Amino acid sequence: AQKITQTQPGMFVQEKEAVTLDCTYDTSDPSYGLFWYKQPSSGEMIFLIYQGSYDQQNATEGRYSLNFQKARKSANLVISASQLGDSAMYFCAMREVSSGANNLFFGTGTRLTVIP
Amino acid sequence: DTGVSQNPRHKITKRGQNVTFRCDPISEHNRLYWYRQTLGQGPEFLTYFQNEAQLEKSRLLSDRFSAERPKGSFSTLEIQRTEQGDSAMYLCASSGRKTGGQYFGPGTRLTVT
Repeated sequence: AQKITQTQPGMFVQEKEAVTLDCTYDTSDPSYGLFWYKQPSSGEMIFLIYQGSYDQQNATEGRYSLNFQKARKSANLVISASQLGDSAMYFCAMREVSSGANNLFFGTGTRLTVIP
Repeated sequence: DTGVSQNPRHKITKRGQNVTFRCDPISEHNRLYWYRQTLGQGPEFLTYFQNEAQLEKSRLLSDRFSAERPKGSFSTLEIQRTEQGDSAMYLCASSGRKTGGQYFGPGTRLTVT
């Protein structure tokens, strides 16, 4: 089974509007971390936001917020006030902490296009 | 620039040749990771170092692949007898906290002809 599922291959959003990128995860590890990365056409993976499984509040970083719904195993990324520079691939990732593994499991990504 | 750096950025090689990539992590980070990303996919984990010790290796890391991190600073990833299926982006990342984000370099794009 896929550990990270991103069901939206592509999304479009009007400039200045908000957009939600979906991510669901699958793990039996009680302690895990969830990450979102942005990958522009240049190829570099840019770390955006992190949510720990025991964190009581949803993570926020500037215009990025993570809508963490533990019971549904979802960790959607919300980008507010979209900008043209937000056009990129977005990847959701997970690290299983209790297992001792250090690697991240990535989804297949969502390509976001911001329309002027 | 104090981010993760990787060299070369692009490499074209003929099938059967050996290639070596270098990664310089963020200086205060003791954890270093290698990932491979093929077109249309997310990165896939290859291997992990804590300081100079290689602690994890993925099943993706065949015996043609070897990684080192002498002295716990920069790391090299070597692919011997390259195959066309090795064509991919090879990404290096580093982290300094157990649960913190991994910071990625710009990647090395390998094309095997």
